[in-house]
Amino acid sequence: EAGVTQFPSHSVIEKGQTVTLRCDPISGHDNLYWYRRVMGKEIKFLLHFVKESKQDESGMPNNRFLAERTGGTYSTLKVQPAELEDSGVYFCASSQDYGLATNEKLFFGSGTQLSVL
Amino acid sequence: ELKVEQNPLFLSMQEGKNYTIYCNFSTTSDRLYWYRQDPGKSLESLFVLLSNGAVKQEGRLMASLDTKARLSTLHITAAVHDLSATYFCAVKQGAQKLVFGQGTRLTINP
Repeated sequence: EAGVTQFPSHSVIEKGQTVTLRCDPISGHDNLYWYRRVMGKEIKFLLHFVKESKQDESGMPNNRFLAERTGGTYSTLKVQPAELEDSGVYFCASSQDYGLATNEKLFFGSGTQLSVL
Repeated sequence: ELKVEQNPLFLSMQEGKNYTIYCNFSTTSDRLYWYRQDPGKSLESLFVLLSNGAVKQEGRLMASLDTKARLSTLHITAAVHDLSATYFCAVKQGAQKLVFGQGTRLTINP
């Protein structure tokens, strides 16, 4: 069974450009989460989808970030325009059924290393 | 606001030695996780601790939870090089959110 897949693994862009990160969760997992780790600090929650619906986007830093999950399968996270402080590793995770609300595990992808120059 | 703090943040140790990573959290939660990450890889779930006094062991790793002290520990016994990685603790907040510690980068030298 394929795990959580993220594309690209690395992205280097200039300040002011746009970048779109993609996450393919494990097939059948309704819950999809985005997290990021900035500058080697703690990993922070960004948002949570159940199927195509955003359940909690309290961790999204500002309106330059837009997450979508059309059709409830893969998700994209767009940063527009990117700023220097957006550099970091963006992780995606998925889980089945009711996610963390029950005893489900989160399965993480390998992350996208984003560098904004 | 829930805060999770790990220490140490960096740990270099010799094979065969024992050591403990500490995870302090500021408010109570019904679940605490330990994850391992190898460079460039995904976070791998190691343990889920659900209740006060919970202890779980897998190989050379043992995790424990003391909710009254708001402390979890990850103990490494007779370390081997393969255990070199970054270890994160994370506390469940609300229904679906994890709050992570800063991570402990563990290097085990032959």
